[in-house]
Amino acid sequence: IQLTQSPSLLSASVGDRVTLSCKGSQNINNYLAWYQQKLGEAPKLLIYKTNSLQTGIPSRFSGSGSGTDYTLTISSLHSEDLATYYCYQYNNGWTFGGGTKLELK
Amino acid sequence: EVQLVESGGGLVQPGRSLKLSCAASGFTFSNYGMHWIRQAPTKGLEWVASISPSGGSTYYRDSVKGRFTISRDNAKSTLYLQMDSLRSEDTATYYCATAVTTVPVFDYWGQGVMVTVSS
Repeated sequence: IQLTQSPSLLSASVGDRVTLSCKGSQNINNYLAWYQQKLGEAPKLLIYKTNSLQTGIPSRFSGSGSGTDYTLTISSLHSEDLATYYCYQYNNGWTFGGGTKLELK
Repeated sequence: EVQLVESGGGLVQPGRSLKLSCAASGFTFSNYGMHWIRQAPTKGLEWVASISPSGGSTYYRDSVKGRFTISRDNAKSTLYLQMDSLRSEDTATYYCATAVTTVPVFDYWGQGVMVTVSS
């Protein structure tokens, strides 16, 4: 299964509502997770099974979607959210999307 | 506290071999599948290989099949990745990871170890 993330680069301001997209080449059956990676760090799990928030992750992060189309939403952008975000499917094998880099406008 | 610490990276010539290790602590290692994920410089994440808790089942991405071998020593709580016939395109930071509380999604990652394949 291939995953396509859009946009590849997103410029936003602190306080903005931000939406990142991930589209699969086949039905992912909600087996979709989201990771945040800051420069020089290992990825951090944010969301699993489409919309389950990992322990310790702020509630401004949420996930949604079904079938082939999934979304990560940050309800109000904080400066510490600037990072690259990867979607990841585990329905059939293990595949990461190409990433969306979130930068300050 | 779950900890994963990789070691064994470095600079290696094309065609040569390198063996990575990942020392695990803070959880019952023998109960969980383990995985290697890599990231080429300025690129995205790429799953490389996985191994079942007992070590009886292994899985590889196509580009490393026949060249890489994932293994584990449950007595030592250590994961390995033997990399043979290395190519320039194997240059990357290699992370070990596991899924402890959010099986099968990787929730714990090591800090990563750099492997550079160059003459």
